[in-house]
Amino acid sequence: DTAVSQTPKYLVTQMGNDKSIKCEQNLGHDTMYWYKQDSKKFLKIMFSYNNKELIINETVPNRFSPKSPDKAHLNLHINSLELGDSAVYFCASSQATRDEQFFGPGTRLTVL
Amino acid sequence: GNSVTQMEGPVTLSEEAFLTINCTYTATGYPSLFWYVQYPGEGLQLLLKATKADDKGSNKGFEATYRKETTSFHLEKGSVQVSDSAVYFCALRMNSGNTPLVFGKGTRLSVIA
Repeated sequence: DTAVSQTPKYLVTQMGNDKSIKCEQNLGHDTMYWYKQDSKKFLKIMFSYNNKELIINETVPNRFSPKSPDKAHLNLHINSLELGDSAVYFCASSQATRDEQFFGPGTRLTVL
Repeated sequence: GNSVTQMEGPVTLSEEAFLTINCTYTATGYPSLFWYVQYPGEGLQLLLKATKADDKGSNKGFEATYRKETTSFHLEKGSVQVSDSAVYFCALRMNSGNTPLVFGKGTRLSVIA
């Protein structure tokens, strides 16, 4: 009965490839997020969706494209992967945009 | 812009020692303040929060008081345990609009027996 789940947990790939990370929440929340945590543990918001609509889009390269097929899912697709994309990516959800956020376990992406 | 500054880690303490992790913030307005904890290999969990000045958040023996005059939200625990070893993140969020959480850089705590 995991609240926020992400797949895969680990992803190792070559530069230039395209990859996707999936996120699902079973909490009935309206809002979902993607965060990037770099090698120094610095955590920064990338995107936020509320009821399947994009509401926050920080300065992220357009190689990153979030997709929300329904309120329970927010997937992250990354084109033309670069070395600097190596990080841990966390998905999170909340009932509303200002409520407590629940985080997934993270996806460690390594670009070689 | 809004930002959060935390003390640099890592912090290493013996079991039952007193813990303080400093956190100060800069914000245009009055944010809500949070402490999140990340245990090894896991995602972040909300530890405690405070939504207005002088509020004290507390959970699992941890406390933090929202101090508007010093723009601070320091995390304290009277007696740490080995199981408290984790990375602690201070964060803020403005109380209006669809604004994201803004995190500090995290402080790694190691507690040794």
